[in-house]
Amino acid sequence: DVKVTQSSRYLVKRTGEKVFLECVQDMDHENMFWYRQDPGLGLRLIYFSYDVKMKEKGDIPEGYSVSREKKERFSLILESASTNQTSMYLCASSFRRHGSYEQYFGPGTRLTVT
Amino acid sequence: AQKVTQAQTEISVVEKEDVTLDCVYETRDTTYYLFWYKQPPSGELVFLIRRNSFDEQNEISGRYSWNFQKSTSSFNFTITASQVVDSAVYFCALSEPSYGNTPLVFGKGTRLSVIA
Repeated sequence: DVKVTQSSRYLVKRTGEKVFLECVQDMDHENMFWYRQDPGLGLRLIYFSYDVKMKEKGDIPEGYSVSREKKERFSLILESASTNQTSMYLCASSFRRHGSYEQYFGPGTRLTVT
Repeated sequence: AQKVTQAQTEISVVEKEDVTLDCVYETRDTTYYLFWYKQPPSGELVFLIRRNSFDEQNEISGRYSWNFQKSTSSFNFTITASQVVDSAVYFCALSEPSYGNTPLVFGKGTRLSVIA
């Protein structure tokens, strides 16, 4: 079974703090993704990565950065957390098979910034 | 441009009723893939099905069935004899692999509540 794990299920941080959200997958997937999920807005892509040290901006990259030093690990960084970054953060990974791929998701991290 | 629309924001049904979740998509390509995911209250999205654009056969898996119609650009999901455990948010998604290694495009989801 594919397993995508995220470092925390719940996190509370203060405004201005630097926040690290970690994601690890155990299936040697090339692709990894970070989304945030907010009521009424669905899933919005923040950043994704196709390979180690590679990153691509998604739809809402502002206020975030990412790091992928190892294939299995993809980190999302909030340089200076703000209250509008309170959200559910979902990590996903995928491989490419027959020209298509399904993404496998972690359990999510519910981040509250106060 | 690629786009997925799930017009139903929330649906509420009584247990044992059948329910259909609608998904309409827009795509630039003749080769594409469609997906459905389930997100139960625990939060983790669970992959349900992948369908490619060349296969219009309907799919049935237990109480779940999917109706893919290219003529109307729809990929609808029906749950037969719904149960309380079906309560979740359901997402439809699209990929266009011929345009490269691009992420899935998700609809905004439909929240299904099944009442006992």
